[in-house]
Amino acid sequence: GENVEQHPSTLSVQEGDSAVIKCTYSDSASNYFPWYKQELGKRPQLIIDIRSNVGEKKDQRIAVTLNKTAKHFSLHITETQPEDSAVYFCAAYGGTYKYIFGTGTRLKVLA
Amino acid sequence: GAVVSQHPSWVICKSGTSVKIECRSLDFQATTMFWYRQFPKQSLMLMATSNEGSKATYEQGVEKDKFLINHASLTLSTLTVTSAHPEDSSFYICSARAGGTDLNSPLHFGNGTRLTVT
Repeated sequence: GENVEQHPSTLSVQEGDSAVIKCTYSDSASNYFPWYKQELGKRPQLIIDIRSNVGEKKDQRIAVTLNKTAKHFSLHITETQPEDSAVYFCAAYGGTYKYIFGTGTRLKVLA
Repeated sequence: GAVVSQHPSWVICKSGTSVKIECRSLDFQATTMFWYRQFPKQSLMLMATSNEGSKATYEQGVEKDKFLINHASLTLSTLTVTSAHPEDSSFYICSARAGGTDLNSPLHFGNGTRLTVT
């Protein structure tokens, strides 16, 4: 079945700097890759997603890149702000028709 | 749009009792819902896929007699933790896709239920 690995597990950046979180997946049939942000005690919220026919997608300060050949995708947050501090999860969906989540990255933006 | 409501948001129960958690899609129909369990500072672990009108599909290692899932309508799935024990204490979150026939549509999550078994 699908296996999703996510790195790093924790990430601290200075306010205004960029943050990059990387995920790899194992099932080449996976074709949809969402990213979720979860604040403490709250539900995960979708922040951006990408489909397999696209290499890059951007939404204001957030971008996601996908390399299907290498089976990895990354989340890029530019000009980070304290409110970006949260846990971020990547996920892969498609081959097994289930969403498989990465292990999460705890992002801390230092003011 | 695409709101998933989960109830209760927290519950405390005594060991040996059962607890039912409801998950509703408020403005869309969901033939499939997913139940996740999340331990503190850990990822979302898929427990089972709830299928409307048929049996749920459980992930390896999840006891189907322990975690009863019923998906009786297109907007409601329930998870019942039977004979709860302290080790069942966790954060349980349901989710559903609002994309209809579009399999590549995002999951929308409920608010989660924090279960504490004493």
